[in-house]
Amino acid sequence: GQQVMQIPQYQHVQEGEDFTTYCNSSTTLSNIQWYKQRPGGHPVFLIQLVKSGEVKKQKRLTFQFGEAKKNSSLHITATQTTDVGTYFCAGNYGGSQGNLIFGKGTKLSVKP
Amino acid sequence: NAGVTQTPKFRILKIGQSMTLQCTQDMNHNYMYWYRQDPGMGLKLIYYSVGAGITDKGEVPNGYNVSRSTTEDFPLRLELAAPSQTSVYFCATKETGDFRSGELFFGEGSRLTVL
Repeated sequence: GQQVMQIPQYQHVQEGEDFTTYCNSSTTLSNIQWYKQRPGGHPVFLIQLVKSGEVKKQKRLTFQFGEAKKNSSLHITATQTTDVGTYFCAGNYGGSQGNLIFGKGTKLSVKP
Repeated sequence: NAGVTQTPKFRILKIGQSMTLQCTQDMNHNYMYWYRQDPGMGLKLIYYSVGAGITDKGEVPNGYNVSRSTTEDFPLRLELAAPSQTSVYFCATKETGDFRSGELFFGEGSRLTVL
C-alpha cells in the first residue's frame, strides 16, 4: 500500500543549531502537509505544499516539495526550545476522499 | 467556538469491556476522522465520514465501529476491548474531502488503556 517514510525518527540538537526532517514516498503525491505535535498535545497543521518544487517559509521554518512530488523536507533554522515536539508529514495521494497517510514523525528535542 | 471536542480524555478499560469515545465539532465540517496513535508511530486512520449518514473504513478498522447521525457528532465504539487497542485516539475534521482541501483540525485526544 501507499507509505510515507520519514527520517530521522529522533533528533537531538543544541539550541541554535539547525534541524531537518525528510519525507519520501515511492509514488507521486497530490500534495503533502506538515503537522507539529507538542509533547502530550494534538497535531497542529503547519502547512500544505501542492506544486512541484514548491518552497514555503514560515519565519524560521522552510518547507520544500520535490520536483517529482515524491519527497518533502522541513528545515528549522536556529532551533529554539519552543520548537520541541514531533513533526509529521502527511501525504495525500489524491482521489475523491483525499485521505492522508502520515509518516511516523521526527521527534525533536532541543537542549538549551 | 470550541472546535473539536473529545470525551473522555482518559479511560482505563478491562479486557472485554466496551465503550464509546465521543467526538463533537462546531465548525460545520462535513469530513470527520478517527485516528489512533501508538508510541513512535504516526497516525493510523480507523474510520472516516464524509457527511451525516455516511461512514467508511480506514486503514485499521477492526474492533471498532462508528456512526454519523448528525454533522456535529462522530462517536467511535470499541466492542470487546483488547490490550492491542491501548492507544491515543484523535478525532479530526476537515472542511472538504478532496485532495485540494486544507488542514485537519484535531481534538485534544483520548488516552485509552486496556488492562
